[in-house]
Amino acid sequence: KAGVTQTPRYLIKTRGQQVTLSCSPISGHRSVSWYQQTPGQGLQFLFEYFSETQRNKGNFPGRFSGRQFSNSRSEMNVSTLELGDSALYLCASSLSPVGQTYEQYFGPGTRLTVT
Amino acid sequence: GNSVTQMEGPVTLSEEAFLTINCTYTATGYPSLFWYVQYPGEGLQLLLKATKADDKGSNKGFEATYRKETTSFHLEKGSVQVSDSAVYFCALSGGGSEKLVFGKGTKLTVNP
Repeated sequence: KAGVTQTPRYLIKTRGQQVTLSCSPISGHRSVSWYQQTPGQGLQFLFEYFSETQRNKGNFPGRFSGRQFSNSRSEMNVSTLELGDSALYLCASSLSPVGQTYEQYFGPGTRLTVT
Repeated sequence: GNSVTQMEGPVTLSEEAFLTINCTYTATGYPSLFWYVQYPGEGLQLLLKATKADDKGSNKGFEATYRKETTSFHLEKGSVQVSDSAVYFCALSGGGSEKLVFGKGTKLTVNP
């Protein structure tokens, strides 16, 4: 069974630009969550989608948005990039929504560098 | 809200040494507890989990026991290998929160 895939793996963008990251969950998984990982803040929850609906959102500005498609694939978008958005963005999928006992499976991440 | 506190790193050990990484949590109700591992340049992998009090999760020689009385989920391994060098994250879900909440991570380096 294929794991969680994220594209692209690496991105370099300039301040003020926008970026879209993609995540394909494990087949059959309907929950997709996104996390931002930085050396200073660690792993921070961005949002979770289940069956195309956003269920939870972390404490990030409105520049961070996401969506989920009917095939469970998910995208996240960051507009008006800032230097502080440089991070590893991790996607995780699960059979059921977070909060239940099913574990999340993580992709390799997208390394975003904002210059 | 829910939170996870794990011991500060980095931790440096010699091969075959005993490993303990402390993890305590704050949550309402009965969360599920997890240990994830992140190898250099990779995403997180689930190492083990426990879903109720006194459960012991185990995998690849690592163990952790869900202790509700001390709100702890310490990770242990009897004899570490160089290949265990990675960052280890304690996490919880449920227990009043529908988010997966992570500790800050503990970097382990095992020297031959």
